[in-house]
Amino acid sequence: QQPVQSPQAVILREGEDAVINCSSSKALYSVHWYRQKHGEAPVFLMILLKGGEQKGHEKISASFNEKKQQSSLYLTASQLSYSGTYFCGTEIQNSGYALNFGKGTSLLVTP
Amino acid sequence: KAGVTQTPRYLIKTRGQQVTLSCSPISGHRSVSWYQQTPGQGLQFLFEYFSETQRNKGNFPGRFSGRQFSNSRSEMNVSTLELGDSALYLCASSEDGRNSPLHFGNGTRLTVT
Repeated sequence: QQPVQSPQAVILREGEDAVINCSSSKALYSVHWYRQKHGEAPVFLMILLKGGEQKGHEKISASFNEKKQQSSLYLTASQLSYSGTYFCGTEIQNSGYALNFGKGTSLLVTP
Repeated sequence: KAGVTQTPRYLIKTRGQQVTLSCSPISGHRSVSWYQQTPGQGLQFLFEYFSETQRNKGNFPGRFSGRQFSNSRSEMNVSTLELGDSALYLCASSEDGRNSPLHFGNGTRLTVT
């Protein structure tokens, strides 16, 4: 039930864009995105509910393709502060409340 | 509002012992979830509690158990510790679970020797 994230790691220069993908083999009720910096707790970024809703948070936005059970996180004009590990969490339909996280995508933004 | 508080921050135990970890959620949050984080495996779901009831459980052996008290505080217990149980254990609280953001504590780092 663990979603699959890709890529596993990405290195960007400041100002470049990145896309992180998250896919599930099960029908999803919602997708969460979190960022964890080294030595810190994961921090919530956004939730997407089934219905294809797209949400934004500063220069970070995400989409949810309900038909494909996929979500993508878009980081635009990356900043040094975007560095960290990004996790998607998925809640499967009719499974009761359990947020299952992917293995994470390590993002490093360099000057 | 105070954030999610986990105690202790660090624990060193010997194989075969048992351990209890504690989590105090954000005031007003009724849902508490527990996760095990290890390098390469990401965050693995252990269980979720809401109003003292376990609503869901992950794929972990019965040595891992938990409970939630009437004030929403939660404890997690691991019995007969194994070396592979060494990990960062994260607790997260939310208002009611579904559709609510998770707020994570800083975790308890458990080392089993």
